[in-house]
Amino acid sequence: DAKTTQPNSMESNEEEPVHLPCNHSTISGTDYIHWYRQLPSQGPEYVIHGLTSNVNNRMASLAIAEDRKSSTLILHRATLRDAAVYYCILRVGNTPLVFGKGTRLSVIA
Amino acid sequence: ETGVTQSPTHLIKTRGQQVTLRCSSQSGHNTVSWYQQALGQGPQFIFQYYREEENGRGNFPPRFSGLQFPNYSSELNVNALELDDSALYLCASSHGTSGSAWGEQFFGPGTRLTVL
Repeated sequence: DAKTTQPNSMESNEEEPVHLPCNHSTISGTDYIHWYRQLPSQGPEYVIHGLTSNVNNRMASLAIAEDRKSSTLILHRATLRDAAVYYCILRVGNTPLVFGKGTRLSVIA
Repeated sequence: ETGVTQSPTHLIKTRGQQVTLRCSSQSGHNTVSWYQQALGQGPQFIFQYYREEENGRGNFPPRFSGLQFPNYSSELNVNALELDDSALYLCASSHGTSGSAWGEQFFGPGTRLTVL
């Protein structure tokens, strides 16, 4: 079973920031927090990952709570192309990715 | 750099038949993982191959089997197809060392299998 909890769906207006939450209250010290997204009719694609500190890359930012029991994926300016299912995944070592149902993000023009 | 490719794109089989799905890894990757994604669900891990050997398996029966070739391409074979095997089958490649696959996984577009 997935060890993360995400809202089923969220909606955002185009060009506005989006904050996608994820709860992982049973996270262990060695779990990395990964985010993948799956665009319509495509395989999942990597977005970002982190352990304790906040992380930024060209796609998004990851804000991790101090107690690491929750995290937030931040898309700074949502575009129509960002409409996808976003998965928050805990991963340690060489374990496979364990996907939940994710959050379906809709972006309104 | 060529991404992960899968063939065929779509496939229709009948119950009891056997099917082989193919995956070409991204250049430089030596690890391949296979996932099954039922409609409306997240992908579920089937197994992983590292340097031609299976080194991890999810909760799938033995009729799901695989191969990885010296060029790191891979096949997923499913025998005695059941209606519940209808799903999107995803292949993901990554670069691992000594059996660990820390790196991000790069997914192909998937093969849509329908079992009638």
